[in-house]
Amino acid sequence: GAGVSQSPSNKVTEKGKDVELRCDPISGHTALYWYRQSLGQGLEFLIYFQGNSAPDKSGLPSDRFSAERTGGSVSTLTIQRTQQEDSAVYLCASSSQPVGMNTEAFFGQGTRLTVV
Amino acid sequence: DAKTTQPNSMESNEEEPVHLPCNHSTISGTDYIHWYRQLPSQGPEYVIHGLTSNVNNRMASLAIAEDRKSSTLILHRATLRDAAVYYCILRRGAQKLVFGQGTRLTINP
Repeated sequence: GAGVSQSPSNKVTEKGKDVELRCDPISGHTALYWYRQSLGQGLEFLIYFQGNSAPDKSGLPSDRFSAERTGGSVSTLTIQRTQQEDSAVYLCASSSQPVGMNTEAFFGQGTRLTVV
Repeated sequence: DAKTTQPNSMESNEEEPVHLPCNHSTISGTDYIHWYRQLPSQGPEYVIHGLTSNVNNRMASLAIAEDRKSSTLILHRATLRDAAVYYCILRRGAQKLVFGQGTRLTINP
């Protein structure tokens, strides 16, 4: 596809259930980011994958959150034992090689997660 | 991480220029200045970036102070569609992209 694709676009889950959110980055992009945005708030960094380097997980809020990126392409963000405070829009972004100063990040439309 | 400071909100009128300021007094020589914006109910989108010289593209202009401690995003002729939260971000090498609170721009018809 032409842009970053996220699925599902909306997800309603019961408290305590696990959820998986998927991100398909732009083909060839080696950097991939996950953010979350609670209602009316700014973007909170979660995790950053860059090529074959170890991911920067410094933004993950708890050990219930994990993410993987298979084959340097698709990424899955998993939230275990969801809590109501996990309700937010989860945004994925990717950018091309060489990553960094002179490249832009492209964002998906996000997955709106509601925990009831 | 070098920090940026932006006003929480600004207001302007349609078809008038808008100047969105950003202070980054701790910027280092290798930090690029990036601007993104987030329209309502959408993911952020790239606007413009620069290092030392002023930059222009189809969306906006970026004016960078000579000492690089501040910059200004200029929308030459605002439209209602430009109402968004604008984020000024410093980007160094392959560091992660970290967003602050941004400036919420309101455009009056």
